[in-house]
Amino acid sequence: GQQLNQSPQSMFIQEGEDVSMNCTSSSIFNTWLWYKQDPGEGPVLLIALYKAGELTSNGRLTAQFGITRKDSFLNISASIPSDVGIYFCAGQVRSGTYKYIFGTGTRLKVLA
Amino acid sequence: DAGVTQSPTHLIKTRGQQVTLRCSPKSGHDTVSWYQQALGQGPQFIFQYYEEEERQRGNFPDRFSGHQFPNYSSELNVNALLLGDSALYLCASRGDRGNGNTIYFGEGSWLTVV
Repeated sequence: GQQLNQSPQSMFIQEGEDVSMNCTSSSIFNTWLWYKQDPGEGPVLLIALYKAGELTSNGRLTAQFGITRKDSFLNISASIPSDVGIYFCAGQVRSGTYKYIFGTGTRLKVLA
Repeated sequence: DAGVTQSPTHLIKTRGQQVTLRCSPKSGHDTVSWYQQALGQGPQFIFQYYEEEERQRGNFPDRFSGHQFPNYSSELNVNALLLGDSALYLCASRGDRGNGNTIYFGEGSWLTVV
């Protein structure tokens, strides 16, 4: 099935470091969503972006809707052990529908 | 206020059998979509239900069917199960009117086909 290009695929970082990940597509999207998924659980919504160029924060998390509408970025500042998990981006295919294309995921591991 | 709830949480089926998974959307949410997540991959869109009708469908065969009830709850049915149908099946409901483009997931139903 179709998936968005998400990078990096995985990363090990030290506690307290900042983290950046991004998602790119060949298609234009109307909405970008970022999720975190812990093992054995469903994805939990972190941030929603609705306009090109939009920059939104949620605590230590900041995400941006790329100006071309083909990409999005997620940054985590001062990482902590509970940030461990898999992060997914998702782009909305068409306004008015709830079909989202998901990224391949970024697996984050934080070393205390 | 309960979020999206799904049942069962885990189940094992044999090839060729049929399975029904159930979902109750978050209170006040009227649109339900279903996703399949294979191990190590992102969720893949199966279909979306609104006003008891299938509104959009992803690239899944007709063995995958669904239903939405008047109370907005939904079922996903898969017939003639294949080994490749083993996955986490996620239900998502639409966000509140003010954030209509967001979707919220349940914990999922783990299906193992043997």
